[in-house]
Amino acid sequence: AQSVTQLDSQVPVFEEAPVELRCNYSSSVSVYLFWYVQYPNQGLQLLLKYLSGSTLVESINGFEAEFNKSQTSFHLRKPSVHISDTAEYFCAVSEMIQGAQKLVFGQGTRLTINP
Amino acid sequence: DTAVSQTPKYLVTQMGNDKSIKCEQNLGHDTMYWYKQDSKKFLKIMFSYNNKELIINETVPNRFSPKSPDKAHLNLHINSLELGDSAVYFCASSQGVGPKNIQYFGAGTRLSVL
Repeated sequence: AQSVTQLDSQVPVFEEAPVELRCNYSSSVSVYLFWYVQYPNQGLQLLLKYLSGSTLVESINGFEAEFNKSQTSFHLRKPSVHISDTAEYFCAVSEMIQGAQKLVFGQGTRLTINP
Repeated sequence: DTAVSQTPKYLVTQMGNDKSIKCEQNLGHDTMYWYKQDSKKFLKIMFSYNNKELIINETVPNRFSPKSPDKAHLNLHINSLELGDSAVYFCASSQGVGPKNIQYFGAGTRLSVL
């Protein structure tokens, strides 16, 4: 079974500083990875995904993540954060079970932006 | 228009009661899911339905019974509620069952069992 580890449960940073949220997954032949964001009192929204092709994927709001097969990592980065980025971030890997997809999530990382 | 909608948003009830959470998606997807998020924010799949048929049941107690009247709806009924059932329950949907599918989540239902 797949597993996902998010190494930091909380990451506090100052506004306009860079940030990296770490995610490692258990090794597999084919890997499909996702980052979801959960803003306070809201549901999960897809931030970005890696399915194939370029190992660097980007979101529309400035986040990027790099798939690194040798390190089994999919870290999320942003060069300059805003107050509005305050949220819980979840890394997930897609796993097939009983012929169907399920997402296996990491424990989440709470990103707090301080002014 | 909300793509995946859940009702109610909040649910407070006593131990031993029976309650239901409803989920509807207007994305035209054929696969729906229920996930549970515990107090530590850990998310875990409970069930998945494809074209109204149960395809994933992740060792969830029998007190939990999902029902899918049609492809657009997946409801969750919980019997004899226990304190440990307190959590946020998320409904999600996707087009198909393959590993590359994107799952779209509802806003969640926060269940508090007293």
